[in-house]
Amino acid sequence: GEDVEQSLFLSVREGDSSVINCTYTDSSSTYLYWYKQEPGAGLQLLTYIFSNMDMKQDQRLTVLLNKKDKHLSLRIADTQTGDSAIYFCAELIDKLIFGTGTRLQVFP
Amino acid sequence: GAGVSQTPSNKVTEKGKYVELRCDPISGHTALYWYRQSLGQGPEFLIYFQGTGAADDSGLPNDRFFAVRPEGSVSTLKIQRTERGDSAVYLCASSLNWGSEAFFGQGTRLTVV
Repeated sequence: GEDVEQSLFLSVREGDSSVINCTYTDSSSTYLYWYKQEPGAGLQLLTYIFSNMDMKQDQRLTVLLNKKDKHLSLRIADTQTGDSAIYFCAELIDKLIFGTGTRLQVFP
Repeated sequence: GAGVSQTPSNKVTEKGKYVELRCDPISGHTALYWYRQSLGQGPEFLIYFQGTGAADDSGLPNDRFFAVRPEGSVSTLKIQRTERGDSAVYLCASSLNWGSEAFFGQGTRLTVV
């Protein structure tokens, strides 16, 4: 079945690293994505990883994929107040299936 | 246009009325997706078009919901006999083809009163 789970809330201090976790159930996913949604705004694609990779780094963002455990994480280094938003992971099977979203709050 | 455009940005309608929501995808994108996002939830898949045809409409909640894409570009999501539970943000996305990066519009916030 298709189910993508995320923790609801994460609070970090500015300058620290943030790690947002996601678990999914469908092993036939081809791509896994991280989207960012700011208040009143649309979804912005941050990064993605192909299912045969286990890590991808893109500037401050690091994506780790554990395919055996069906676990995906997004690490944001040197978190800034502008990173405050809701982060969604999504898996692509025949369509994009989104998680419930993690609200990241960054405090000074 | 430069991005995916959705109109209107906000729509308030009375229970029982018919509404149409429009999506203008990025020019040249063959794949188009509709999602619905309720407050505090992730986007929920409704329907996906490849060209003019609906490749997957398994997410449409019931027969009050229908979508078309007659010329393979603009798409319209149609909701008949609206109910208060239909209130949500309706998101449209397009991609060059299936599996490539999907670009989302700003959404249409539908409120049924």
